[in-house]
Order: sequence, then structure tokens, then C-alpha cells
Amino acid sequence: GAGVSQSPSNKVTEKGKDVELRCDPISGHTALYWYRQSLGQGLEFLIYFQGNSAPDKSGLPSDRFSAERTGGSVSTLTIQRTQQEDSAVYLCASSAPGSYEQYFGPGTRLTVT
Amino acid sequence: AQSVTQLGSHVSVSEGALVLLRCNYSSSVPPYLFWYVQYPNQGLQLLLKYTSAATLVKGINGFEAEFKKSETSFHLTKPSAHMSDAAEYFCAVSGFSGSARQLTFGSGTQLTVLP
Repeated sequence: GAGVSQSPSNKVTEKGKDVELRCDPISGHTALYWYRQSLGQGLEFLIYFQGNSAPDKSGLPSDRFSAERTGGSVSTLTIQRTQQEDSAVYLCASSAPGSYEQYFGPGTRLTVT
Repeated sequence: AQSVTQLGSHVSVSEGALVLLRCNYSSSVPPYLFWYVQYPNQGLQLLLKYTSAATLVKGINGFEAEFKKSETSFHLTKPSAHMSDAAEYFCAVSGFSGSARQLTFGSGTQLTVLP
């Protein structure tokens, strides 16, 4: 079946612009996670959605970062007023109900110039 | 709080030699442990997982790992390296409920396989 998909695969933006990154989880997966992978910080958790519960936003690095999940499926990660330190690969993962296995998408490489 | 330490950011082995990638964890609760592999410009692929069943876990591509509670370790091994094993490997730990299921990753080990 189809895996986790993310779009765009690459995004180049100018400092100060807003960007939106999209994640389509595996069908039927109720949990969705966003992670960031950067050279300096490694892999970091950003935000977690589980069904209709309030998301766990404890990993978001600043209030410029936000995410939503519509209809319990597709998620959008928004970064406002991008900074150069936001340059990273943003990874999305999903997992099935009751499962501990997270399946990752290919990521979106964000470059802020 | 949970954390993972991967010893050796770069490991080189000859093709056909034993692969050993080290991972030690810290967790205040019984952990779930994972190894992921990442090939260049790709996402993370799950190799294997420990979720409190058998302590010796077998995964894909001939990899296995042994959970040793007394050593707080979860080292990844493969008896015979193949050129296609060259990639970056991440050890990760998670809790068992709710938002604790987020993964905390080690810093990764880049595996090079020499011909």
C-alpha cells in the first residue's frame, strides 16, 4: 500500500517568508508526528497528533511554528517568518492504532536563503 | 526523561565482516527501542524494534539487536556486511503511552562498507 507522502520534496524560500509543508499519513493511521533533522541538532521531535485529541506541541522550537491536522488525516506544518536556522529536513511519520512502529515519509528539505 | 547515546559517529567495516553499532539508552520507564536506517536523501526505514517481548530481536536485511537491561544497551549487529548496508543508522527510544510515544533519537552512526 501507499506509504507516508510529503510535499514538496524540496523548498527554497527567502528569509522572512512563510512556508507550508504537507504530510499525508498512511490510510487508517491515527497518530501523526513531525520531526526535524538538521546537521547541528540531529533528529528532533516537533509535534504529535493522536486522533481528535489536542496535539502535543512540546517540541515546537518557537511560536513561529504551528501545525494542524484536518479530518484526522492530512497535516500541514507552517513556519512563519522563516529564519536561516530553520533550514533542515522536515520528516513526517504515522503509526497505526495501538502500534509503536512509526513509518516515515521521505521528508521535505527546506532551505532558507 | 529518555535519551540515547550512539558510540561512534562513523564506523567502517570490510565487506563480509561483522557489523556492530552501539546504542545505550536512558529511560525512567521500561523503554521501547528501535533501530532505523536512512539512505541518502530518503526517509527513515524501520530495521527492528524491541517492545518488551524477546530480548533478541531480528529485523530486516539480516540485522538483529539484543536488549540488555543490566547494560542499558541495544546494540545492532549483522554477521556479514554487504555493500548495500552503507547508510546512516539511528537508535531511538520511546515511552509506551500517549505523547510519550514520540521517538528520541541518537545522533546516528554512518556505516561505510569497504570492498
